[in-house]
Amino acid sequence: DTAVSQTPKYLVTQMGNDKSIKCEQNLGHDTMYWYKQDSKKFLKIMFSYNNKELIINETVPNRFSPKSPDKAHLNLHINSLELGDSAVYFCASSPTRADSPLHFGNGTRLTVT
Amino acid sequence: GENVEQHPSTLSVQEGDSAVIKCTYSDSASNYFPWYKQELGKRPQLIIDIRSNVGEKKDQRIAVTLNKTAKHFSLHITETQPEDSAVYFCAASTLVSNTGKLIFGQGTTLQVKP
Repeated sequence: DTAVSQTPKYLVTQMGNDKSIKCEQNLGHDTMYWYKQDSKKFLKIMFSYNNKELIINETVPNRFSPKSPDKAHLNLHINSLELGDSAVYFCASSPTRADSPLHFGNGTRLTVT
Repeated sequence: GENVEQHPSTLSVQEGDSAVIKCTYSDSASNYFPWYKQELGKRPQLIIDIRSNVGEKKDQRIAVTLNKTAKHFSLHITETQPEDSAVYFCAASTLVSNTGKLIFGQGTTLQVKP
């Protein structure tokens, strides 16, 4: 199946813990993204990588650290989790063009207690 | 930076009626405007898109219009069906280091009543 796949689907953890979300795409795209969707459904871009190079880094706390080992993978590591980090995190990919759609993964629902 | 405003935030229509969702954007350099549909618990999925060299595009019951001068674009769904119920997002793309950056509107929750 050609797709953007991310794991895990659900993540429940306590404040202060460190967790990672993994993302992989087999669409041959050069650009990958992390978006955060909060409880009000707002989709906000966090990071984008193009061929393993960080391109976009929005005003995200430095507790969030993306890592791209190759252009097909973009992982997100979060240190010292806080209650406000609870959200759905979507990975996405696209070709390297400004007029290309995003292909989203199925999302990771992170709940911090 | 780019800002995308979307209205209304909620929309309720009777089955068979039309639904219109409107968006405005701030960056005049934006050149690509996709629309996504997100069903409950699912990922956003592209339903239609329009590029800046086109004023209107139609795909069966869905159409988008773009007014670059006014920086407005709209989604029109005709003959709505209950399965059209979902959250709809507009987006505008700007260029950052030769890659696209999609900024999303706040979303519209569409409810189609049978």
